Amino acid sequence: KNQVEQSPQSLIILEGKNCTLQCNYTVSPFSNLRWYKQDTGRGPVSLTIMTFSENTKSNGRYTATLDADTKQSSLHITASQLSDSASYICVVSARQAGTALIFGKGTTLSVSS
Amino acid sequence: NAGVTQTPKFQVLKTGQSMTLQCAQDMNHEYMSWYRQDPGMGLRLIHYSVGAGITDQGEVPNGYNVSRSTTEDFPLRLLSAAPSQTSVYFCASSYSVPNSPLHFGNGTRLTVT
Repeated sequence: KNQVEQSPQSLIILEGKNCTLQCNYTVSPFSNLRWYKQDTGRGPVSLTIMTFSENTKSNGRYTATLDADTKQSSLHITASQLSDSASYICVVSARQAGTALIFGKGTTLSVSS
Repeated sequence: NAGVTQTPKFQVLKTGQSMTLQCAQDMNHEYMSWYRQDPGMGLRLIHYSVGAGITDQGEVPNGYNVSRSTTEDFPLRLLSAAPSQTSVYFCASSYSVPNSPLHFGNGTRLTVT
């Protein structure tokens, strides 16, 4: 069964610190992996999309890594800011007919001052 | 550029009532979709469309109806609301689902009493 598991479920860090969020997936055949940021009361916003051949991708202070062999991805946030407080959702796209986006349940990050 | 616009933002219905959630996008995306987001669960696909006149069911289609008469609009109809349909509903569009990011609206929070 295609699944995406994220850890931790929630995380609290101090402003200015770094953090890493994890995503493990069992999706086949794999097409790409996406990270989204969802602020409270808003829709998710795309941070990165990574294909099989990409193992690192950055978007400002956000850096995503992908290990297609172990089926793991991480999202590293550098020098966190209060505005980074949000839910971060990992989504894996399966290469098959129709649409097949498998969503993780998200990691809730709280950045405190 | 408005992106994906959803209306209304909030709605309260009584069991058995019907209503339509509106979704419009101005990016000329062929792909549009509806998701529901419930606490502790990942986003779940209700219905999707790959172009005007073409719709298909997602993971949780029961109790919902869609149509796509134009590229821009993709309304979601609740035929006879039930308390189990209390959720936050997101509309999303994409240029090309396998390879392009989804652009989400800011959601409609629906409560069925």
